[in-house]
Parts: sequence; C-alpha cells; structure tokens
Amino acid sequence: RKEVEQDPGPFNVPEGATVAFNCTYSNSASQSFFWYRQDCRKEPKLLMSVYSSGNEDGRFTAQLNRASQYISLLIRDSKLSDSATYLCVVEISYNTDKLIFGTGTRLQVFP
Amino acid sequence: GAVVSQHPSRVICKSGTSVKIECRSLDFQATTMFWYRQFPKQSLMLMATSNEGSKATYEQGVEKDKFLINHASLTLSTLTVTSAHPEDSSFYICSARSRGTSGAYEQYFGPGTRLTVT
Repeated sequence: RKEVEQDPGPFNVPEGATVAFNCTYSNSASQSFFWYRQDCRKEPKLLMSVYSSGNEDGRFTAQLNRASQYISLLIRDSKLSDSATYLCVVEISYNTDKLIFGTGTRLQVFP
Repeated sequence: GAVVSQHPSRVICKSGTSVKIECRSLDFQATTMFWYRQFPKQSLMLMATSNEGSKATYEQGVEKDKFLINHASLTLSTLTVTSAHPEDSSFYICSARSRGTSGAYEQYFGPGTRLTVT
C-alpha cells in the first residue's frame, strides 16, 4: 500500500466550478500535512499547510481528519490558472523534513 | 519566499558518463538539503538527505556509490550521477528548508534538472 494515496484524475471542470481532492495516508504517526501544486515539468510549490482545525486561504480550503487519516482540498470558483497537478504531502515526524509525496491529482479547468 | 536554484536545468549525456547537478540556496543558508527524483506520471521520491559537512543519508534502494552527494557549504549541495544509464533519465529536484513568512519551516524546491541519458 502506498504511503500517500490520491486519485490521479484528471478532473476536468468548467471555470467557476467547485472541485474537491482527497488523499489518504497510511502512517498514523504522520505529523505535518501539506498541499503542493506542480505545473507541468516544473518543481512543486507549496500551496498550503493543513491543520487539524482546517484552514482556508482565499478560494482554497484544506481539511485534515486524523482519525480517518484523510486530507482534503477544496477549490472554489475554479480559474483557468488553477490547472495543475495537486500533490498531497505528508511529513512523518516533526523536524525530520522528510516529505512523502502522493502521485498527485491532475486538474484541468476549461473555459 | 526563499529561492533555490539548480544548474543545469537540462542535460543530455551519453551512457557511461557522469553528470553533476548543483543546488544552491540563494538568499538563505541551508544546513540540510534534499534530493528527489521524479519519473513521468509518478510522485517525487526522496533519494537522500544532504547534510552540510557530513555524509548524506540515503533512502532505501538508492545506491550511494552511484549518486554521490556533496554538501560542501551552507548554500551548495551537488548530486553526481556516476556512470549514467538510460534508466537514470529523470527529473531531479533539490529542496532546502527555510523559515517561511508564517514563522514555520517550509521546504523550497529548486526548478529541477531534466536528465536524459542516451
């Protein structure tokens, strides 16, 4: 079983749509959680950290459910520029900095 | 945010040759840098953790004699792929940890090096 699992997609949605991505992780000792965005043939860039209380940054909302070992990302009012691959990332323990990446979920927003 | 650079961005080499990739933290010091590899349509896989002034820590299954890592200063780590073979063709990405604007540590990634071995 993969340590971090994501639906690879692709998710094809029209502009303005709301789309949700899910991610599950296998190591219950995982401490920190992130969503990264990766554009084609580019490096990943941090989108947001994910906290147990849930957090929101503009059109993006991230949720963490430790009991179910489940992380989600909600994108509201999708823009064409949101088209990318979204990577669910887990850090096993504090300050090790060893990040475990999911394979990513590809989003394509069309006009 | 913090800036990490890599050089070269793209390299094509012949089978059996060695290739060196540089990773630099441009506006901060990084005692620890990380090297990842990403094959097409796959996730980033951590290869090794590069520690300034000491030996790198390699992940299981990564050959340390094939992927030589040197972290000679607080702003530079290098990855040398020795005796490269076509199966080493991949996207190699480094990252470094820095304190972000929120005060929490964040990892910043270099732009990656696309290696093609013919």
